[in-house]
Amino acid sequence: GENVEQHPSTLSVQEGDSAVIKCTYSDSASNYFPWYKQELGKRPQLIIDIRSNVGEKKDQRIAVTLNKTAKHFSLHITETQPEDSAVYFCAAKDSNYQLIWGAGTKLIIKP
Amino acid sequence: DTAVSQTPKYLVTQMGNDKSIKCEQNLGHDTMYWYKQDSKKFLKIMFSYNNKELIINETVPNRFSPKSPDKAHLNLHINSLELGDSAVYFCASSQGTMVNSPLHFGNGTRLTVT
Repeated sequence: GENVEQHPSTLSVQEGDSAVIKCTYSDSASNYFPWYKQELGKRPQLIIDIRSNVGEKKDQRIAVTLNKTAKHFSLHITETQPEDSAVYFCAAKDSNYQLIWGAGTKLIIKP
Repeated sequence: DTAVSQTPKYLVTQMGNDKSIKCEQNLGHDTMYWYKQDSKKFLKIMFSYNNKELIINETVPNRFSPKSPDKAHLNLHINSLELGDSAVYFCASSQGTMVNSPLHFGNGTRLTVT
């Protein structure tokens, strides 16, 4: 079955710098890759997603890239702000239509 | 309006008790889920229902029993609560499973078993 690995588990960056979180997956038939943000004490919320027929997608300061050959996808946050501090989860929808989650990355923005 | 609402928000109970968590969604979605999030923040799928029918039942003790009276509701009943059941439980919904529809989560129920 599908396995999703997410790195790093914790990422600390200076405010204004960029942050990159990486995920790899094992099922080459996976075709949908969402990213969720979970602020402290709150629910996970979708921030961006990408489908397998697209290599990159941007939404203001957030972008996701997908490399199907290497089976990895990454979340890029530019000009980080204090409100970006949260736990970020990647996921992949596998050939059984199940959403398989990464273990999460705690992003800390230092003032 | 809260799209996915679950109650209660906090639940503190003793070992051996039976408790229920309720979930309702007003998005018109046909698929609902229960997730467990432990202290390490892992999100673990427990159950998934599509149009009131169980489609995913991960390795979960049979003390946990989901009930879906209609496609807008998915309740979770837990018998004989154990210390290890302490976690945050999230209800979620989406439109279908095959389509690439995002999950909408409820605000979570923090269960503490003492």
